[in-house]
Amino acid sequence: RKEVEQDPGPFNVPEGATVAFNCTYSNSASQSFFWYRQDCRKEPKLLMSVYSSGNEDGRFTAQLNRASQYISLLIRDSKLSDSATYLCVVNYPRSGNTGKLIFGQGTTLQVKP
Amino acid sequence: DAGVTQSPTHLIKTRGQQVTLRCSPKSGHDTVSWYQQALGQGPQFIFQYYEEEERQRGNFPDRFSGHQFPNYSSELNVNALLLGDSALYLCASSLGVRDSPLHFGNGTRLTVT
Repeated sequence: RKEVEQDPGPFNVPEGATVAFNCTYSNSASQSFFWYRQDCRKEPKLLMSVYSSGNEDGRFTAQLNRASQYISLLIRDSKLSDSATYLCVVNYPRSGNTGKLIFGQGTTLQVKP
Repeated sequence: DAGVTQSPTHLIKTRGQQVTLRCSPKSGHDTVSWYQQALGQGPQFIFQYYEEEERQRGNFPDRFSGHQFPNYSSELNVNALLLGDSALYLCASSLGVRDSPLHFGNGTRLTVT
């Protein structure tokens, strides 16, 4: 089983649509979760951290389900500019240290006019 | 406020050669992580440096080695290059060994022929 798994898509949606991505992780000891966005041929950039109680940032909502070991990202009212690859990131802790941040394969979103 | 800078931007090498990639972290950051990103894949964790020591390592062979200098900058060295080493190499900096979000450089695109 991969450490972090995402459906690569692509997800093709019209402007204004609501779209959701899920990501599963294998290490139950993971404590930190993030969503990054990566535009074509650019570096990944932090979109948002994911907190236990769930959190929202404008049109973006992130949720964490520890019992099922998955995180989700919901995008409301999609814009053309939301077209990108969304990377799920999970830490793999090691005792006495932070461990390493592991990326999923990424989910590609294409928002159409 | 200088972000993460990487050099060179692009590099073409021949199979069997050696390469050194360089990274300067974002101002105020002391931890550097290196990732390899093949086309269509998420970034794969190579290793992490903190206090001039390798703290974490991913599933990469010993041909991949690194170094961190007292000014927190870092190098990634790859020996005996293989065609499969062709990828985008991303450097990311963060603060401390806790799971603070990563800030990425623009990457070095390595092509091995």
